[in-house]
Amino acid sequence: NAGVMQNPRHLVRRRGQEARLRCSPMKGHSHVYWYRQLPEEGLKFMVYLQKENIIDESGMPKERFSAEFPKEGPSILRIQQVVRGDSAAYFCASSLPGVQETQYFGPGTRLLVL
Amino acid sequence: GENVEQHPSTLSVQEGDSAVIKCTYSDSASNYFPWYKQELGKRPQLIIDIRSNVGEKKDQRIAVTLNKTAKHFSLHITETQPEDSAVYFCAASTTSGTYKYIFGTGTRLKVLA
Repeated sequence: NAGVMQNPRHLVRRRGQEARLRCSPMKGHSHVYWYRQLPEEGLKFMVYLQKENIIDESGMPKERFSAEFPKEGPSILRIQQVVRGDSAAYFCASSLPGVQETQYFGPGTRLLVL
Repeated sequence: GENVEQHPSTLSVQEGDSAVIKCTYSDSASNYFPWYKQELGKRPQLIIDIRSNVGEKKDQRIAVTLNKTAKHFSLHITETQPEDSAVYFCAASTTSGTYKYIFGTGTRLKVLA
């Protein structure tokens, strides 16, 4: 039973480029959360999605950031026109329907913006 | 807004001693409190959790206590070992809401051999 998968594990982008981060939840999990962790800081909630629905995006920056969780395939966090301040570790977590409170985290994608 | 404070930010203990990490939350609707351990460069791993209908939960050397009235919860690690060295995060969540976690700022635990 594979855990939450994220790819790529490391991503380097130049300012102004786009970053696409992927998250495949655990088998049977239909709820996905994205969190951002700045260096030496805690994790900050960004967005909560169910299949084909954004449930809570209260932690997402208003511009340049978007997320989706299509019916088929992984959840994707997209950052357009990246800036140096976007450099961070981005973790996704997934949970079972009906047991949403217990979230299992992926290994994270470490984004570095040059 | 919702907030979780965590103390101390760093903690050094001798191997075999106990370690205690404390968190305070602001949202009185919070009713689920997980604790995660994160080793350098790794994913956060759930080590124990507690729901608001209980005051204490124990799993081998790890225990968590919850005081709903004071909005405090604490992690206790007994007989610490060098492999317990990591960053520990507390979090609070509301199971009637969107289940998002509000994390504390983390405690870097160092167990000295």
